[in-house]
Amino acid sequence: DQQVKQNSPSLSVQEGRISILNCDYTNSMFDYFLWYKKYPAEGPTFLISISSIKDKNEDGRFTVFLNKSAKHLSLHIVPSQPGDSAVYFCAASAEWTGNQFYFGTGTSLTVIP
Amino acid sequence: NAGVTQTPKFQVLKTGQSMTLQCAQDMNHEYMSWYRQDPGMGLRLIHYSVGAGITDQGEVPNGYNVSRSTTEDFPLRLLSAAPSQTSVYFCASSSGLALQETQYFGPGTRLLVL
Repeated sequence: DQQVKQNSPSLSVQEGRISILNCDYTNSMFDYFLWYKKYPAEGPTFLISISSIKDKNEDGRFTVFLNKSAKHLSLHIVPSQPGDSAVYFCAASAEWTGNQFYFGTGTSLTVIP
Repeated sequence: NAGVTQTPKFQVLKTGQSMTLQCAQDMNHEYMSWYRQDPGMGLRLIHYSVGAGITDQGEVPNGYNVSRSTTEDFPLRLLSAAPSQTSVYFCASSSGLALQETQYFGPGTRLLVL
């Protein structure tokens, strides 16, 4: 049973516009969330994280929002650039999982020049 | 630093064959793990290790063995490959167990079992 879900397999955005990638989770005990970015033929690379004590974390063009009541997080990329074209995975974890991360299925973002 | 390296990049096996997927890191990380990525499933944890001599099972351990004799290496063994093990395998490492520790992933091994 998928505990972390990314319901949009793909997303296309024009360069310069905002990209919004969404992620939902089922277990309210998760308290740490991450986004990874993956290019073809490479491993995932860490992008940004957020703890459940916050509702927003920003790093340059990337902002992650957490809505605990809705069990939903989103990644905003502003402005989007062609180099952002990649697959984005969200992941969730908690101390009780033994630091095991549960990953979503990924969203493939294409930024159109 | 080479980071996390994995060999081979691609492998074709016949059902019942055995093989070892190699993973090495040069960052002196204590925590290492193996994931598999399947279409529509995301990355799922197979086995992990919190240090040399210590391993534990993840979400999908069946059909795989691991050992950790050194800090640097964490090989994944398939004793009798099955078509269900066709997947892309990623090795990852981090310096500690805290949730905030960044995991570094290798480039992956694509395995096809016929």
